Amino acid sequence: DTEVTQTPKHLVMGMTNKKSLKCEQHMGHRAMYWYKQKAKKPPELMFVYSYEKLSINESVPSRFSPECPNSSLLNLHLHALQPEDSALYLCASSHRVAASYEQYFGPGTRLTVT
Amino acid sequence: DAKTTQPNSMESNEEEPVHLPCNHSTISGTDYIHWYRQLPSQGPEYVIHGLTSNVNNRMASLAIAEDRKSSTLILHRATLRDAAVYYCILVTGANNLFFGTGTRLTVIP
Repeated sequence: DTEVTQTPKHLVMGMTNKKSLKCEQHMGHRAMYWYKQKAKKPPELMFVYSYEKLSINESVPSRFSPECPNSSLLNLHLHALQPEDSALYLCASSHRVAASYEQYFGPGTRLTVT
Repeated sequence: DAKTTQPNSMESNEEEPVHLPCNHSTISGTDYIHWYRQLPSQGPEYVIHGLTSNVNNRMASLAIAEDRKSSTLILHRATLRDAAVYYCILVTGANNLFFGTGTRLTVIP
């Protein structure tokens, strides 16, 4: 099974709301990633988790708060977002954080901030 | 971040081979060359990767120049399902993917 699942598929939230995105994989991967993709642009790396510990934060604003409660789950908590944060949020996983391993992506959560 | 250069777009006829080029003249000795593609309304999909030698898998082949400053992704028989944006990415030890703008492949029936 090479599947990464993401929920919800779509999310609409107001600027004062708090919501969470969820990502799950059961491939035994110990590296998990969050990416953001604006319309007609390539994905941009946000966070990297290795063995459930945050290893990379690509200068992402604090209104995005990642969490890795166990080796299969990755959450992205959202609070006080701005309309410009509307985008497709992609989760990915790989065996380890090493260049010799490929990443498997989920289908993404399409977020609209109103 | 190591940079790659790809054509913005390419076209191919269905059932013909496609050669997608990528230049990476500043590649370092430990950079892997990864290819991903993204079909419309989907997350990126891994295609193939390599370090120095040519690689084959069920989806494609990767031909790496001897000096490693360029590579070519080869789809042996393009189908309509192969229409996508193809990203060539140099990956360092940390496995962080920094996507460029990629090549949009159009497959003509």
